[in-house]
Amino acid sequence: SQQGEEDPQALSIQEGENATMNCSYKTSINNLQWYRQNSGRGLVHLILIRSNEREKHSGRLRVTLDTSKKSSSLLITASRAADTASYFCATVSAGNKLTFGGGTRVLVKP
Amino acid sequence: ETGVTQSPTHLIKTRGQQVTLRCSSQSGHNTVSWYQQALGQGPQFIFQYYREEENGRGNFPPRFSGLQFPNYSSELNVNALELDDSALYLCASSLAVGGWGNTEAFFGQGTRLTVV
Repeated sequence: SQQGEEDPQALSIQEGENATMNCSYKTSINNLQWYRQNSGRGLVHLILIRSNEREKHSGRLRVTLDTSKKSSSLLITASRAADTASYFCATVSAGNKLTFGGGTRVLVKP
Repeated sequence: ETGVTQSPTHLIKTRGQQVTLRCSSQSGHNTVSWYQQALGQGPQFIFQYYREEENGRGNFPPRFSGLQFPNYSSELNVNALELDDSALYLCASSLAVGGWGNTEAFFGQGTRLTVV
């Protein structure tokens, strides 16, 4: 079963626009992480936000976490064609097991 | 480049056969996890090894088994392959203190297994 569910499932934007995707989860968490995957290859870690944090930035990425609503969002600002990928949220509860959602497929058109 | 390497990159097997996939963790990492990712879906947790002992298992049958070696490299073995086992298998290494993880996982590029 999947803990996190991303919304939307797919997103198509023009280069330079912002992309926002959301993640909802069901149980209490230790931390929440966002990963990117290019075309069926390995996942690349983007950002980790701990359960006691509300917002975190990394370059053009901004992640928020609302533990009362069990939700998180990932914002990519000023998107580039190279941002085209699938984005996954993953929650960590016990140990270091990552529970992934189904992902958001982002297409950035030049 | 994450420093996590998986082999082979692609593999075709016949239903009923057995397969072994290999993973070399990033230096200094003591935890390795394996995930199965079907086409168009998110990765599903298979199991995790911490200091050579299984430290958690997902909803996979016993024919999925693993090992972690003293140098923290790892194997995933799947017996009696079924068509539904066709997927991308991902290995991830991380550093966990006391078995608990608050750090990112570094993924290999995966092994694409096709069962025919």
